[in-house]
Amino acid sequence: DTAVSQTPKYLVTQMGNDKSIKCEQNLGHDTMYWYKQDSKKFLKIMFSYNNKELIINETVPNRFSPKSPDKAHLNLHINSLELGDSAVYFCASSLSANEQFFGPGTRLTVL
Amino acid sequence: AQTVTQSQPEMSVQEAETVTLSCTYDTSENNYYLFWYKQPPSRQMILVIRQEAYKQQNATENRFSVNFQKAAKSFSLKISDSQLGDTAMYFCATPVLDGGSQGNLIFGKGTKLSVKP
Repeated sequence: DTAVSQTPKYLVTQMGNDKSIKCEQNLGHDTMYWYKQDSKKFLKIMFSYNNKELIINETVPNRFSPKSPDKAHLNLHINSLELGDSAVYFCASSLSANEQFFGPGTRLTVL
Repeated sequence: AQTVTQSQPEMSVQEAETVTLSCTYDTSENNYYLFWYKQPPSRQMILVIRQEAYKQQNATENRFSVNFQKAAKSFSLKISDSQLGDTAMYFCATPVLDGGSQGNLIFGKGTKLSVKP
């Protein structure tokens, strides 16, 4: 039983392309998140979303957009990919401000 | 703004020995959670242990325990009887509870722990 799943786990693409990463949670949690882990392993929030509100970290470029078709899914769309977007992207979910359950991560490589 | 600081970028320990990883944080909240997450080479983020700030008793999970000093805003992780499988990055984290936040985690920069045979 996978609690939080992400696809794909690896994504290699060319600069300028548009790509999406999918995330699904089967925990019934009300809030989902996207985090970015850079090459120095530093983890930083990108978005948080529940069925009422999207909160965007102000440092995230508007080329990144989360889309939630329903409560169990929060997908990440990235337009016009740049070299600096190369990182590991983690989806997570939680019930209120409690422990978060993380997906396996997606390693994005932009060439 | 809340902050989390891990002052040890790297540490090593011999198998079967004990090691303590340090974490300090800053928050204006009175009731909050603190977490230690483990990230092995597989990159999966695994919750190791959780502490609720209003509980004075230190949390314990098998070989893992914390030393929570609320007044000092310190939250260290002790790993006893270290095993090779404990080799990983360890992150200290706390949820952001400012108005308008949805509890996203603030992480420290991590401590890379190597357990040597």
